[in-house]
Amino acid sequence: EAGVVQSPRYKIIEKKQPVAFWCNPISGHNTLYWYRQNLGQGPELLIRYENEEAVDDSQLPKDRFSAERLKGVDSTLKIQPAELGDSAVYLCASSLDRYEQYFGPGTRLTVT
Amino acid sequence: GENVEQHPSTLSVQEGDSAVIKCTYSDSASNYFPWYKQELGKGPQLIIDIRSNVGEKKDQRIAVTLNKTAKHFSLHITETQPEDSAVYYCAACGAAGGSYIPTFGRGTSLIVHP
Repeated sequence: EAGVVQSPRYKIIEKKQPVAFWCNPISGHNTLYWYRQNLGQGPELLIRYENEEAVDDSQLPKDRFSAERLKGVDSTLKIQPAELGDSAVYLCASSLDRYEQYFGPGTRLTVT
Repeated sequence: GENVEQHPSTLSVQEGDSAVIKCTYSDSASNYFPWYKQELGKGPQLIIDIRSNVGEKKDQRIAVTLNKTAKHFSLHITETQPEDSAVYYCAACGAAGGSYIPTFGRGTSLIVHP
């Protein structure tokens, strides 16, 4: 069974530029999560989808971040414009039941 | 909101020794406690979890204990091996709309010396 796929794996951009991350969850997993992991810290939830509906986006900085999950499968997280403080690893996870989450390898974003 | 404290931040052991990582949480409504292992360049991987109706769970060399009264839980790894070297995260999860949303600790970097 294929795991959660994320791309790109690495991205370097200048501040004020836009950037997008893509996630393909495990087949059949209805719940999809986006997390941000700062250096030396645990992941922090940004947004959670149940199928195509965003059911928890309270931690998403909505002035510059946006996300979508078309057809309840793949998801895209976008930042526009990026700031220096957005440098982090962006992780996507999916789950089938209420408990176990399966994480992708993440996208390491560096904003210069 | 939930707050999870994790100790120690770094743990160095010799191969074959045991390793213990401890976490405390603040929200008494949390009732699911997973532990994740994260290797360099990879996403976190679930290694063991425990639900609030259980005090202890074991899977081969890994065990987790939970004390809901004191709001703390621990990860025990016996007979450590060099491949156990990684960052370990505890999390405390409360129910939110049908899913359990984790609040993670800051992580413990485990180093197992051959």
